[in-house]
Amino acid sequence: QSALTQPASVSGSPGQSITISCTGTSSDVGGYNYVSWYQLHPGKAPKFMIYDVSKRPSGVSNRFSGSKSGNTASLTISGLQAEDEADYYCSSYTSSSTLVFGGGTKLTVL
Amino acid sequence: QVQLQESGPGLVKPSETLSLTCAVSGYSITSGYYWGWIRQPPGKGLEWIGTIYHSGSTSYNPSLKSRVTISIDTSNNQFSLKLTSVTAADTAVYFCARRYFDSSGYYPDAFDVWGQGTMVTVSS
Repeated sequence: QSALTQPASVSGSPGQSITISCTGTSSDVGGYNYVSWYQLHPGKAPKFMIYDVSKRPSGVSNRFSGSKSGNTASLTISGLQAEDEADYYCSSYTSSSTLVFGGGTKLTVL
Repeated sequence: QVQLQESGPGLVKPSETLSLTCAVSGYSITSGYYWGWIRQPPGKGLEWIGTIYHSGSTSYNPSLKSRVTISIDTSNNQFSLKLTSVTAADTAVYFCARRYFDSSGYYPDAFDVWGQGTMVTVSS
C-alpha cells in the first residue's frame, strides 16, 4: 500500500484560511468515507482532529473542517492561529482492510 | 482520562527483536476498544503497524505482517509490540494509540488517544 500524497508544506498568515490536500486512489480515499486527520507538534502526542472525512471529535475547534472529492480529501483551517503551526497527517481505510497514512504536511503560520 | 505510555529499549541491534509496551491508565483494556501501534521514521510520515481488539484479534500492515506480533497483557493493563529481524529501516518513533469509538456505536478508522511516542534506534 502506498502512502497517501500530501503537499510537503503550506503556509498562511494569521486569520487566513489554508487547505491541505490528501490524494489517494479509489482503493482508499476515493472508495470510503473513512479519512482522518491528525495534528503533530514535535515531542507531543498526536492530536486527533477529523474522522470520517468531515466529523469533528468533541473538543476540536470548528475552525478545522474536512471534505472529500473523488480520490482527494482536504483539511481546511480557517482563522489561522499561531498555535496551528504543526505537521498534519491524513489517513484512510483501504480496500485491504488496513490503514494508510499520508506523508505529512508542515503548516507554517507566517 | 485515558492515558497511554510507551516503554522499551531505545537501542536495538540489527537482526534482533524490538519489544515495546504500552501501559494504559484510566481504563481497563479488557473492557473494550481497539489498540494500535503506529511509527514515524526520522523525517518521514506515519506508518500504521497494526491493531488489536480487546478480545485479542489482530490486524497488521501487510508490509510488516511477517515480522509483527501485537498482544494484550490483561494482568498489567497493557499491550505490546514485537518486531523481529529489525534493520536500520525500523528506526523510528513508535506510538501506541487507542482507536476512537463514536457515540453512535461504531469504531471509525481513527485513533483518538495517543502516547507521546518512544524513539527506537536500530544500530550495532
